[in-house]
Amino acid sequence: QVQLVESGGGLVKPGGSLRLSCAASGFTFSDYYMSWIRQAPGKGLEWVSYISSSGSTIYYADSVKGRFTISRDNAKNSLYLQMNSLRAEDTAVYYCARRAAGLGGLDYWGQGTLVTVSS
Amino acid sequence: DIQMTQSPSSLSASVGDRVTITCQASQDISNYLNWYQQKPGKAPKLLIYDASNLETGVPSRFSGSGSGTDFTFTISSLQPEDIATYYCQQYDNLLLYTFGQGTKLEIK
Repeated sequence: QVQLVESGGGLVKPGGSLRLSCAASGFTFSDYYMSWIRQAPGKGLEWVSYISSSGSTIYYADSVKGRFTISRDNAKNSLYLQMNSLRAEDTAVYYCARRAAGLGGLDYWGQGTLVTVSS
Repeated sequence: DIQMTQSPSSLSASVGDRVTITCQASQDISNYLNWYQQKPGKAPKLLIYDASNLETGVPSRFSGSGSGTDFTFTISSLQPEDIATYYCQQYDNLLLYTFGQGTKLEIK
């Protein structure tokens, strides 16, 4: 079955860096676009970034542009999010999600990993 | 950027009630609109894609309609397990996503 498992979250000081990983299994990872979505405590969902199946197309939300970098390793069935210059407002649960084939819906999500930015 | 206005922000209804949530886009998005359910402490779950298509395995009491700028999500007969927060989400031709603010659904 399809599984997405995030890791790498934790407590980091403002201005610091963190790298999130998402391990995929149960499907042909290299066939699918992948996204990162975050949710601040008690708040709604915010799309962060997506990467095409080959990695050739990447987009970011304005709130993270220039600070976050999405990447993937199709040989390792893994998705990454490098987060630099972290701010308190980046505190959130970060989810990786798969875009449904040929559609715009996000049909599988990981369980999320919590990133806390605090001094 | 396309903005999504979802209403109401919270809703209290009784088991068996018909429940309706609306989402309005700031510009025409055709049918590029999805609906998700999120239960506390869990990841969101895709219920409806492309405005009106039921995701595999989702009960038929859930439905969606609309196109252009105005969309509706309906639960035909509310069940206790439907207590959750519901989000609309639009995507454009670049697959840039915007979520609505969410609707927290509670049992009366």
